[in-house]
Amino acid sequence: AQSVTQLDSQVPVFEEAPVELRCNYSSSVSVYLFWYVQYPNQGLQLLLKYLSGSTLVKGINGFEAEFNKSQTSFHLRKPSVHISDTAEYFCAVSEKVDNTGKLIFGQGTTLQVKP
Amino acid sequence: SQTIHQWPATLVQPVGSPLSLECTVEGTSNPNLYWYRQAAGRGLQLLFYSVGIGQISSEVPQNLSASRPQDRQFILSSKKLLLSDSGFYLCAWSGRDTEAFFGQGTRLTVV
Repeated sequence: AQSVTQLDSQVPVFEEAPVELRCNYSSSVSVYLFWYVQYPNQGLQLLLKYLSGSTLVKGINGFEAEFNKSQTSFHLRKPSVHISDTAEYFCAVSEKVDNTGKLIFGQGTTLQVKP
Repeated sequence: SQTIHQWPATLVQPVGSPLSLECTVEGTSNPNLYWYRQAAGRGLQLLFYSVGIGQISSEVPQNLSASRPQDRQFILSSKKLLLSDSGFYLCAWSGRDTEAFFGQGTRLTVV
């Protein structure tokens, strides 16, 4: 069975500082990897995805993530955060062989950007 | 382009009352459809998914049911709500080997 662990429930950071949100996964098969962002009382918006190819993936709003197969990690990074990046961030995986596209989510990380 | 509609945005229902949440997708055909629930301060839990009309798979035993009467319509129902059914419900769709796209969610409070 798959599982996703987001190692930090809350990450406080000052504006314009860099940030890394950590995600580790466990799966016996190859997976697709995703990061989603959720603003209060809204649905989830895709930040970036890893399907195959280059392990460094760039997404929207200046975010990027690196897939590390040996460490089964997919950490999200941004070199300089803005107040508007304050939100809940979710890491998710789905099995490549599973055509249902079911996503398994981590518990989420709250990014709090302080002025 | 594809869009997903989910309603209502908020709902307050008494314990023991029925529930019907509806989700429709436009601009695509034969999507995979999903219902997720997000409890306060927790991640998202997959409740149901569907890969075709009339095909429903349940991920967790619960007081809820789902139906897919049309290709791009997905309905979440309950005959009698429990307090524990409160939460934020999200509908989503995906194509084959693509990411999932989410609706804006329904905040359900059972009182």
